[in-house]
Amino acid sequence: SQQGEEDPQALSIQEGENATMNCSYKTSINNLQWYRQNSGRGLVHLILIRSNEREKHSGRLRVTLDTSKKSSSLLITASRAADTASYFCATDRGSGNTPLVFGKGTRLSVIA
Amino acid sequence: DGGITQSPKYLFRKEGQNVTLSCEQNLNHDAMYWYRQDPGQGLRLIYYSQIVNDFQKGDIAEGYSVSREKKESFPLTVTSAQKNPTAFYLCASSIVGINAEAFFGQGTRLTVV
Repeated sequence: SQQGEEDPQALSIQEGENATMNCSYKTSINNLQWYRQNSGRGLVHLILIRSNEREKHSGRLRVTLDTSKKSSSLLITASRAADTASYFCATDRGSGNTPLVFGKGTRLSVIA
Repeated sequence: DGGITQSPKYLFRKEGQNVTLSCEQNLNHDAMYWYRQDPGQGLRLIYYSQIVNDFQKGDIAEGYSVSREKKESFPLTVTSAQKNPTAFYLCASSIVGINAEAFFGQGTRLTVV
């Protein structure tokens, strides 16, 4: 079962522009996490936002969470070619210590 | 260096064979996970374990088996019962907790020949 769904599926932007990716989920959550995956590699954790938080920043990353709409967004500001990767949102299953459920991801291409 | 190591990076399997993918971590994490990723898709949970000698089925456990005899190790066997095993397999580990971040290995790409 997939809890989160990212939108858009693919995004292509010029270097220096901002990139925004969205994630929607279905059930209540304790937290929502964003991960990055370079082609053919493992995932790397970017940021975690708890259900009682509305916004969180980490460097050039800004994450928002709207639990009433069951949605989150990831903003990457001043993008660089090195940001080219797939980005996944992941949620818990809402109860206890449960494994993460991942969406299908957004493929971001940053063109130099 | 602390981390999670998967081996091999590439694996080829003949039809009808069982193969075992290795996953080792030295992060002292209690929880370990196996995910499967198909091209252009997200990750789907195969099996997970939160303590030694115990594990649970995930969303797509059929055709797979695991063991957790040591805290550091969580090998995955892809059996001949798995009808479509060609995929990218990712192992992860974490502490056991509500707001736990997952640490991933670099993956094993399995191809049936």
